[in-house]
Amino acid sequence: GEDVEQSLFLSVREGDSSVINCTYTDSSSTYLYWYKQEPGAGLQLLTYIFSNMDMKQDQRLTVLLNKKDKHLSLRIADTQTGDSAIYFCAERGGGATNKLIFGTGTLLAVQP
Amino acid sequence: GAGVSQSPSNKVTEKGKDVELRCDPISGHTALYWYRQSLGQGLEFLIYFQGNSAPDKSGLPSDRFSAERTGGSVSTLTIQRTQQEDSAVYLCASSLDWEPPGQFFGPGTRLTVL
Repeated sequence: GEDVEQSLFLSVREGDSSVINCTYTDSSSTYLYWYKQEPGAGLQLLTYIFSNMDMKQDQRLTVLLNKKDKHLSLRIADTQTGDSAIYFCAERGGGATNKLIFGTGTLLAVQP
Repeated sequence: GAGVSQSPSNKVTEKGKDVELRCDPISGHTALYWYRQSLGQGLEFLIYFQGNSAPDKSGLPSDRFSAERTGGSVSTLTIQRTQQEDSAVYLCASSLDWEPPGQFFGPGTRLTVL
């Protein structure tokens, strides 16, 4: 079946790096995504990675994909208080549908 | 270049009433999705529309839920005879008909069933 898991909470100090982890089960996933949700707001697409890639860097964001272990991570360099939010990883569901299967979300708290 | 818009932003209704939630996708996006976010269930897929193809309704939790997409653009999610467990934030997203870059979400409609 399809299941995406994340740790629930991460606390870091401003200026440190944050690493948010995610495991998924559907090995046929072609794309994997990271979304950010600030309080009372919708989901903001942060970045994505194609399944044939190991790493993708986009400014302060680095995505690492270990396809063998079905493990995805999001590293945020120089974390700022504005990065405080819930982060969701998502895999594209298999088959013809484009539905996203979301993880449980990780609450990132950045301490000043 | 407006993003996905949804209305109303908040809806409070009484148990047993019908509600309609509206979504306006990004112009030019052929795919439209509805998701539901609740404390107990997290983010759940509800339904997916792609062009003129038959929608994927596999995520609708019961036959009280239905959705339409008129003219390949605006979509309406209807919940009949609302129950308290329907209380959630209903999120709409749209995308191009290929991946990437992914699905873009609206701000959601917060539904509260009393």
